[in-house]
Amino acid sequence: EPEVTQTPSHQVTQMGQEVILRCVPISNHLYFYWYRQILGQKVEFLVSFYNNEISEKSEIFDDQFSVERPDGSNFTLKIRSTKLEDSAMYFCASSPTIKTSGAYNEQFFGPGTRLTVL
Amino acid sequence: DAKTTQPNSMESNEEEPVHLPCNHSTISGTDYIHWYRQLPSQGPEYVIHGLTSNVNNRMASLAIAEDRKSSTLILHRATLRDAAVYYCILDRGSTLGRLYFGRGTQLTVWP
Repeated sequence: EPEVTQTPSHQVTQMGQEVILRCVPISNHLYFYWYRQILGQKVEFLVSFYNNEISEKSEIFDDQFSVERPDGSNFTLKIRSTKLEDSAMYFCASSPTIKTSGAYNEQFFGPGTRLTVL
Repeated sequence: DAKTTQPNSMESNEEEPVHLPCNHSTISGTDYIHWYRQLPSQGPEYVIHGLTSNVNNRMASLAIAEDRKSSTLILHRATLRDAAVYYCILDRGSTLGRLYFGRGTQLTVWP
């Protein structure tokens, strides 16, 4: 069964360093997402991406964050200058359809990358 | 975001049915009701969704109240692998697809 994969599973970095989190969505999916979950807290939406551009972003997704689909398979989240509060699990998700009103879109989540900022 | 209310935690014994409730009194006519779950140390996983009618799939059943202000996720025979946080999420009918996760219900299954 196809699945979303994420690398690395755990990333440790120093405050102020840049990190890139990588995701390979399911191959025929069109919509891509990043979420994060700080330890013990809710899963929070960061950004959605469709047709090579950001569709929606949350207030968390500030200028330190960027997303890219550099080729036909990878979807990346870059944090330019990490802060202590960026420590969290980061989940990539993809869905096969464009979300239209009245329809549903099942999102398929990856296993996550645990980011630890020291 | 559309508001849902779920109990913080529930417990069940293995092999018994589990009914996980969710209240969503402000639901609008085009909102889908989704359930996701998150097993320990994993990403969320889709369980089931519905609009008005009750729904069944291989994982669970979804019972939706006639006024749609509440729903219940039914696990017919809980197993230890069903121990997870279960999230009831309203899909607000926008075209953008973001999911709003609340705190969910932590389900503990006892052997």
